[in-house]
Amino acid sequence: GIQVEQSPPDLILQEGANSTLRCNFSDSVNNLQWFHQNPWGQLINLFYIPSGTKQNGRLSATTVATERYSLLYISSSQTTDSGVYFCAVVGGSNYKLTFGKGTLLTVNP
Amino acid sequence: DAGVIQSPRHEVTEMGQEVTLRCKPISGHDYLFWYRQTMMRGLELLIYFNNNVPIDDSGMPEDRFSAKMPNASFSTLKIQPSEPRDSAVYFCASSFPGELFFGEGSRLTVL
Repeated sequence: GIQVEQSPPDLILQEGANSTLRCNFSDSVNNLQWFHQNPWGQLINLFYIPSGTKQNGRLSATTVATERYSLLYISSSQTTDSGVYFCAVVGGSNYKLTFGKGTLLTVNP
Repeated sequence: DAGVIQSPRHEVTEMGQEVTLRCKPISGHDYLFWYRQTMMRGLELLIYFNNNVPIDDSGMPEDRFSAKMPNASFSTLKIQPSEPRDSAVYFCASSFPGELFFGEGSRLTVL
């Protein structure tokens, strides 16, 4: 099946800093999503982005499907951004969303 | 609109007991997924349904696990008998297809 690799595995920032999270995938995809799992365990949809670029406030994402990667940008980070960021993809003819292992982000005040 | 609704949010039970987790997908969504999350294995897909029909149950760990979707607005995941290694957070998700939306999860602890 399709492989999803996220980097870095861990990231510690000071409040106000910017960051870039990366997601590489091993095959062409029909669907790519970014999620934020907050400290309470909720999985929050950030972006549905199988290709192109989207922005939502301080967050933006870019997927370059032909080169099999996606980037999540967080600008002016806040302590509430802490948590795990997951990239998940659907490839092939099925509808199974395969998750990466996530990036654990800690934003310190 | 209401999101994906799961119940119970927390369940503590003893080994050998039957556990039933419930899910109500978003209205109009025709795909429903059950995932399990543990520290060791991350997020694993257990089974998914399309139009109430199970499509892929290859992730169901063993025969103790079963899932049903009797109608478009309700699904259950049952574990019988439960074991301590089943302790995890179980997520239900639904989609149209396209973007997947998750419920808040059911945290299961088997003592």
